[in-house]
Amino acid sequence: DAGVTQSPTHLIKTRGQHVTLRCSPISGHKSVSWYQQVLGQGPQFIFQYYEKEERGRGNFPDRFSARQFPNYSSELNVNALLLGDSALYLCASSLGGSSSGNTIYFGEGSWLTVV
Amino acid sequence: AQSVTQLGSHVSVSEGALVLLRCNYSSSVPPYLFWYVQYPNQGLQLLLKYTSAATLVKGINGFEAEFKKSETSFHLTKPSAHMSDAAEYFCAVSDQNQGGKLIFGQGTELSVKP
Repeated sequence: DAGVTQSPTHLIKTRGQHVTLRCSPISGHKSVSWYQQVLGQGPQFIFQYYEKEERGRGNFPDRFSARQFPNYSSELNVNALLLGDSALYLCASSLGGSSSGNTIYFGEGSWLTVV
Repeated sequence: AQSVTQLGSHVSVSEGALVLLRCNYSSSVPPYLFWYVQYPNQGLQLLLKYTSAATLVKGINGFEAEFKKSETSFHLTKPSAHMSDAAEYFCAVSDQNQGGKLIFGQGTELSVKP
């Protein structure tokens, strides 16, 4: 079975540009979350979506947005890119629902470099 | 608020030696705790998780962790290190108010010397 898949794997953008990152969850998983991992740090929670609705948002500016589609795949959008947005963006999926004990599975991530 | 602290940003052991990676958590309610491993230029792989069943949790690749409520700890151990264990290890706690949100520690880089 396929795991969490993300695209693109690597990309380079210029300051001020916009980027869209894509994620397909594990089959049967209805919850998708996004994390930002800056070099040398632990991942930081950005968003969670469940059944196409936003269920949580981390401490990130409004330049960051996301959505979930009927097939449970998801997009993360970042506008007006800054140098500090350079990071590994991780998508994670889980069965969803209210349980906080669900196992969360991560993709390989999308490496974003802003120059 | 929940939080996780990993003691030691870098741990170095010899091949065959005991691996001990320390994690302490802060939570006002019984936590769900996880250990993930990240190999260079890769995503996160789940090693094991604690969800209020047995306090000693066995994971993949010979790793295990023990939940100690009195010490608010969830340390990761492996009896004998292999070269292939060299990686970054992250301890995380699940947000009790929001399933799907993990709060991560800063990570511990494990080096294994031949």
